[in-house]
Amino acid sequence: ETGVTQSPTHLIKTRGQQVTLRCSSQSGHNTVSWYQQALGQGPQFIFQYYREEENGRGNFPPRFSGLQFPNYSSELNVNALELDDSALYLCASSLDNGVYTFGSGTRLTVV
Amino acid sequence: QQQVKQSPQSLIVQKGGISIINCAYENTAFDYFPWYQQFPGKGPALLIAIRPDVSEKKEGRFTISFNKSAKQFSLHIMDSQPGDSATYFCAASMVAAAGNKLTFGGGTRVLVKP
Repeated sequence: ETGVTQSPTHLIKTRGQQVTLRCSSQSGHNTVSWYQQALGQGPQFIFQYYREEENGRGNFPPRFSGLQFPNYSSELNVNALELDDSALYLCASSLDNGVYTFGSGTRLTVV
Repeated sequence: QQQVKQSPQSLIVQKGGISIINCAYENTAFDYFPWYQQFPGKGPALLIAIRPDVSEKKEGRFTISFNKSAKQFSLHIMDSQPGDSATYFCAASMVAAAGNKLTFGGGTRVLVKP
């Protein structure tokens, strides 16, 4: 049984650019969530997908968007990057029972 | 709005000692309370979790105590080991809700001295 894998592990982007982060869910998990974790803080919920549909969203602007694919893998897209978007982005998958498995995250630095 | 408050922010304990981390929540609809352990450069890993119908749950050296009336829960790490040095996060969620997001506390950095 494989866990949650995220790519890339690190990324440096320039302010105003766009970025796509990828996540492969744990085998059999149909729900995926994305979290933003700023340095020294707890993860903040961005949004969640269940069977390819967004079914929950946190307090993040529309330039944060996502997709879930039929194989339950997922993407997080961020447009018009701002310096404050620098953070660890975490993907978590679940069998829709509230028990989540997290990936190791993508460290995004915006310069 | 911070719905889960965690304390202390950091903790230093001697090897063999007890680490205690406390969390308080506001939303009485929360029905699942997990604790996560996070090492530098890694994602959070589920340590132990409790539902509000029990007051205590123990798994090895880790125990959750839950006080529903006070809306508080805590993690006790018994016989703390240097390998337990990590950041610990409490969280809460409403499992049955659509988009059952986890609301995290701010984290506690634990250092276990040998």
